[in-house]
Amino acid sequence: AQSVTQLDSQVPVFEEAPVELRCNYSSSVSVYLFWYVQYPNQGLQLLLKYLSGSTLVESINGFEAEFNKSQTSFHLRKPSVHISDTAEYFCAVSDLVGNTDKLIFGTGTRLQVFP
Amino acid sequence: SQTIHQWPATLVQPVGSPLSLECTVEGTSNPNLYWYRQAAGRGLQLLFYSVGIGQISSEVPQNLSASRPQDRQFILSSKKLLLSDSGFYLCAWNRRGPDYGYTFGSGTRLTVV
Repeated sequence: AQSVTQLDSQVPVFEEAPVELRCNYSSSVSVYLFWYVQYPNQGLQLLLKYLSGSTLVESINGFEAEFNKSQTSFHLRKPSVHISDTAEYFCAVSDLVGNTDKLIFGTGTRLQVFP
Repeated sequence: SQTIHQWPATLVQPVGSPLSLECTVEGTSNPNLYWYRQAAGRGLQLLFYSVGIGQISSEVPQNLSASRPQDRQFILSSKKLLLSDSGFYLCAWNRRGPDYGYTFGSGTRLTVV
C-alpha cells in the first residue's frame, strides 16, 4: 500500500523568501502525485499534479513541484512567497493498481508567511 | 458539467444521536467515490471508498458506515455519534482519462457535543 510522508508539520517564512515543502512517498507501483492547498475554514483546492511527461510541473500562482522517481519525492517549491500563500498544504499519491484509485494524503504542512 | 454536492455544510449533533451525510455527483457515470475525514489539526484520512453501487470498502475500523444506493449518491452514516467523530468530512470522486484527478465537495464540519 502506498503512503505519504510530509516531514515538516509547520514551515514559517518571511514574505518574498523562497520556500520548499517536502513530500516523500512509498509505493511499489507507478503513481500519480498531487499537491492540494487548504485555506483557513475552506475545502481542498488542487494546486498541481504529476501524471506523466515532464517531471517538473507548475501551478498558475508560481508554485512548482518536481517528481523524482529515484528519491520517491515530490517537493513543492516557490521562489518568492506572499502573505496570501499562508495555508495548509497536502501532498497526496494515487497508485495505478486495480480500479480503486485511492488517494492517500500526507499529514500536511502548515505554511505561515510573515510580513 | 461535472459537479459534486455535499450537505449540510455545518452540523452540530449530541453524543449518541444518528448521522447522515449525503454526497451526490452530477455529469458523470459510474464514478469512484470516497469519504475522507479531517480531524482538528490533522491530515485527511480515507474512511470509505466505493467503485460501484452497493460496493463499499472501509479503510479504518470506526463508528461510521457508508452506503451507495445509487450510482452517483454516497452516504455516510452513524447510528450513535461519539465525541471523536467530530471533524471535517469531505466527499470526492475520481475522474479518469487525460485529465485524471479528484474533485472534492465543499465539506461538512461536524461537531459532536
